[in-house]
Amino acid sequence: GNSVTQMEGPVTLSEEAFLTINCTYTATGYPSLFWYVQYPGEGLQLLLKATKADDKGSNKGFEATYRKETTSFHLEKGSVQVSDSAVYFCALSDLTTGNQFYFGTGTSLTVIP
Amino acid sequence: DSGVTQTPKHLITATGQRVTLRCSPRSGDLSVYWYQQSLDQGLQFLIQYYNGEERAKGNILERFSAQQFPDLHSELNLSSLELGDSALYFCASSATGLSSYEQYFGPGTRLTVT
Repeated sequence: GNSVTQMEGPVTLSEEAFLTINCTYTATGYPSLFWYVQYPGEGLQLLLKATKADDKGSNKGFEATYRKETTSFHLEKGSVQVSDSAVYFCALSDLTTGNQFYFGTGTSLTVIP
Repeated sequence: DSGVTQTPKHLITATGQRVTLRCSPRSGDLSVYWYQQSLDQGLQFLIQYYNGEERAKGNILERFSAQQFPDLHSELNLSSLELGDSALYFCASSATGLSSYEQYFGPGTRLTVT
């Protein structure tokens, strides 16, 4: 079946530190992969996505590369800011198994000045 | 502001009761998704509608049902409520029926069952 495994948090970093949040997946077909972000008190927002192997999604300084060989989609940012404090969700959708959407458990990030 | 609206924002009710959550998608979006977010289960996909028809079903209990109306708004009905149904319920919309497209999330309805 399909599933997403995400590194557990919470993660606390100092401003300008390097961020990596690990995400691995299991899928029976050819999934699309996503990172969503949830700021306090708000709904989720799409951060970036990749629809096929070796694609790199990027947005607001965040990047993630779809690695089929390691079934991974790790989120990275070179220099985090206080405003990046939020919960980050890795997710996949797999059209070949019914158009469902699968989320990881979320990783809480706090950036301190 | 994603353009997706959900009402009510908060709902407190007793076990055994029935509630209806409402979602209005972004203008022009044909697809609506419902999700449940709880501390122990995380974010779970419940069901998707596309242009009035059910498109995909996830971990939705039989006590729960949903529909999408001709004006494209959607309602999620939760009945015989249990304490464990307390959660944040999100609606999301997208332009197409394909889950590979971006979904825009509403602010959620927080349901508390006492």
